[in-house]
Amino acid sequence: GEDVEQSLFLSVREGDSSVINCTYTDSSSTYLYWYKQEPGAGLQLLTYIFSNMDMKQDQRLTVLLNKKDKHLSLRIADTQTGDSAIYFCAELNQAGTALIFGKGTTLSVSS
Amino acid sequence: NAGVMQNPRHLVRRRGQEARLRCSPMKGHSHVYWYRQLPEEGLKFMVYLQKENIIDESGMPKERFSAEFPKEGPSILRIQQVVRGDSAAYFCASSPEAGGENRPQHFGDGTRLSIL
Repeated sequence: GEDVEQSLFLSVREGDSSVINCTYTDSSSTYLYWYKQEPGAGLQLLTYIFSNMDMKQDQRLTVLLNKKDKHLSLRIADTQTGDSAIYFCAELNQAGTALIFGKGTTLSVSS
Repeated sequence: NAGVMQNPRHLVRRRGQEARLRCSPMKGHSHVYWYRQLPEEGLKFMVYLQKENIIDESGMPKERFSAEFPKEGPSILRIQQVVRGDSAAYFCASSPEAGGENRPQHFGDGTRLSIL
């Protein structure tokens, strides 16, 4: 079945780069997403990548996709305290009707 | 605010009561999705609807839960005879079409349901 795994916690210092990793099981996934959730709020779409791409860059965010290993990563350059949040990796299911989420990685940024 | 609107933000119910959660999709979006987030868990898909049609309800519990998206008005997620285990954050998302490029799901701020 479809499943998404993420490490639960990451702690970095302000100004460093953060790398959040994710693995997924469904090799037929067409789109993979990163969402950010701040306390008490909904999910904010950060970026997404199509499965025929290896990399996508959007300002401070870089997404890397290794389709062979079914591994997705999100790199945040020059991490700021405002980046502290839970980051969710998600894949679109085969039917294209639902997102399958990981449990989220809590990013803690210290100054 | 042209985003996905959910109300109420917080809802408290006693066991056995009914809970009604509302979701208005983003302007121009005709596809609505409901997800449930239990404490310290990721979001779990419940149901996907288009106007007047349920397309995929594979994540919806078979009893007590129902969803609709009428021709006019918001989508409603209805939970009858609530139990403590229904306490969770319920999120609605919308998209202009299902899946695909430039059609990602955008989420509302959720409804936090607490059962006493």
